[in-house]
Amino acid sequence: QVQLVQSGAEVKKPGASVKVSCKASGYTFTSYSMHWVRQAPGQRLEWMGWINGANGNTKYSQKFQGRVTITRDTSASTVYMELSSLRSEDTAVYYCARDATTVDWGQGTLVTVSS
Amino acid sequence: QAVVTQEPSLTVSPGGTVTLTCGSSTGAVTSGHHPYWFQQKPGQAPRTLIYDTNNKHSWTPARFSGSLLGGKAALTLSGAQPEDEAEFYCLLSYSGGWVFGGGTKLTVL
Repeated sequence: QVQLVQSGAEVKKPGASVKVSCKASGYTFTSYSMHWVRQAPGQRLEWMGWINGANGNTKYSQKFQGRVTITRDTSASTVYMELSSLRSEDTAVYYCARDATTVDWGQGTLVTVSS
Repeated sequence: QAVVTQEPSLTVSPGGTVTLTCGSSTGAVTSGHHPYWFQQKPGQAPRTLIYDTNNKHSWTPARFSGSLLGGKAALTLSGAQPEDEAEFYCLLSYSGGWVFGGGTKLTVL
């Protein structure tokens, strides 16, 4: 079955960067795109961007353009999301989500930004 | 960027029926937006309930159904159960990417 296993919780200082990983299994990695979605405490889900599983092309939300980078390592079946210039408002749970017909979700990674 | 709107909160009685809606600031929601509905309970990741307007996931209870209604996407719950109390998010696809609604907190009371 499809599994998306994300890296563990992170605590970062303002201005730093964070890189979250999402290891996929149970399907052909290059056949599906992967999205990143975040959810600040008590807030709505927020789309950050996605990467095409076949060719690595990316598209980012205007809100995060310039601060977010999504990459993939096909040999490791892993997608990464790096967010830079962190501020306290970036404290959130970050999810990867496979762009399949049904959308499959990772378990989420809590990133806390605090001085 | 488009704005997707949902009712902030709704209440339904056990055994009752309720419809949640999902509208788009760009106009009518169509099947081309590939509407999704997700259920999220506190401390958990979202779970897909409905995809592509009206298709159910293997774990979606039969009491949930999706449709297009009056220019919006709709999620109808018929025969509400206490375990259905949760936050529900809709998702619409646009050329620029995904946009989530603000979520509807459904109370079964």
